[in-house]
Amino acid sequence: NAGVTQTPKFQVLKTGQSMTLQCAQDMNHEYMSWYRQDPGMGLRLIHYSVGAGITDQGEVPNGYNVSRSTTEDFPLRLLSAAPSQTSVYFCASSTGDRANEAFFGQGTRLTVV
Amino acid sequence: LAKTTQPISMDSYEGQEVNITCSHNNIATNDYITWYQQFPSQGPRFIIQGYKTKVTNEVASLFIPADRKSSTLSLPRVSLSDTAVYYCLDTNAGKSTFGDGTTLTVKP
Repeated sequence: NAGVTQTPKFQVLKTGQSMTLQCAQDMNHEYMSWYRQDPGMGLRLIHYSVGAGITDQGEVPNGYNVSRSTTEDFPLRLLSAAPSQTSVYFCASSTGDRANEAFFGQGTRLTVV
Repeated sequence: LAKTTQPISMDSYEGQEVNITCSHNNIATNDYITWYQQFPSQGPRFIIQGYKTKVTNEVASLFIPADRKSSTLSLPRVSLSDTAVYYCLDTNAGKSTFGDGTTLTVKP
């Protein structure tokens, strides 16, 4: 199994540009989420989804959109990139049971100049 | 979900047992306690999870007292490769809130 796959691994954007970070999982997990991690800090939840067609906001949702049209994919869209969005982005998936482990992707390192 | 509180950093030496304690002051009845490990430039990796008492797996033990307001991750006989950031979380149905973690440095 590939687990959780994120693309691209690295990206440089200019301020104001838009882009989509891709996340795919092959474990048939219902629950998927996006986090950002700034240097020296823990992960902060951006958006999450408890199943296809259902999404909700996390701690830091402003400037990001998500959709969940299939169980496998959960893309994160940056509408108009800002330097404050420079960060490492992690996607995670889990079964959604109360007791379960989350599987994380390898991350996308985004720089906005 | 509430954030947990844990020490910012800890140092240890190879072969020692390391105990990292976490405070779960706002844990909810339905929350589980989960610990993750993160190496630089990698996503977090699940270590262990429990609800109460003691849980042990092949890499660690987790001790949770009856009031569930704290937890202790125990790593037996650490090696240099255990140098990483360790996060404790309150989790419910896959939704978790990360704190800033504990940076464990294992020295030779």
